Amino acid sequence: DAEITQSPRHKITETGRQVTLACHQTWNHNNMFWYRQDLGHGLRLIHYSYGVQDTNKGEVSDGYSVSRSNTEDLPLTLESAASSQTSVYFCASSETVGGETQYFGPGTRLLVL
Amino acid sequence: KNEVEQSPQNLTAQEGEFITINCSYSVGISALHWLQQHPGGGIVSLFMLSSGKKKHGRLIATINIQEKHSSLHITASHPRDSAVYICAVSGNQFYFGTGTSLTVIP
Repeated sequence: DAEITQSPRHKITETGRQVTLACHQTWNHNNMFWYRQDLGHGLRLIHYSYGVQDTNKGEVSDGYSVSRSNTEDLPLTLESAASSQTSVYFCASSETVGGETQYFGPGTRLLVL
Repeated sequence: KNEVEQSPQNLTAQEGEFITINCSYSVGISALHWLQQHPGGGIVSLFMLSSGKKKHGRLIATINIQEKHSSLHITASHPRDSAVYICAVSGNQFYFGTGTSLTVIP
């Protein structure tokens, strides 16, 4: 069965360190998204990609970067982790942007000390 | 101002009660989505709709495009329905509500 996975599921790091969160989907979807979820804010879009070599900034992209070298993977990198980036991160994918269901990964809990 | 507003934020119900969660949005959309987030954190899609009504088991979702409003109904609620229900809309990108936390008491 097709799926979307994230790793690690939990991560503790120190401020200033570079952190990469992995997202891998086997749906063969062109569109992939990274969100963060914080109390009182709901899900907020960090970065998204509509295909290989395509990346776009979302609502809260500062301090984050992504790259898309193949269809299956969209890793999210925190260049220099900050305590404000402590959050739960969700990756999602969809076949199209406008009307199709998004499929979510299980999430990664990141704690920046 | 949030593009998607949900109400109520928190809801506690007795088992068997009929539950309604509301969602209003302010942007043009291609579709509206209802998502369920379990206590463990996983998010699953319940419905995607662009008009009318959809039903799946005890869950019913409706949308009024003219009023930019959707409702999620749960009939004969059960403790296993306890979760956070999230409304999202999609157009050029996805916008999410902050969720409604539902607790169903036996």
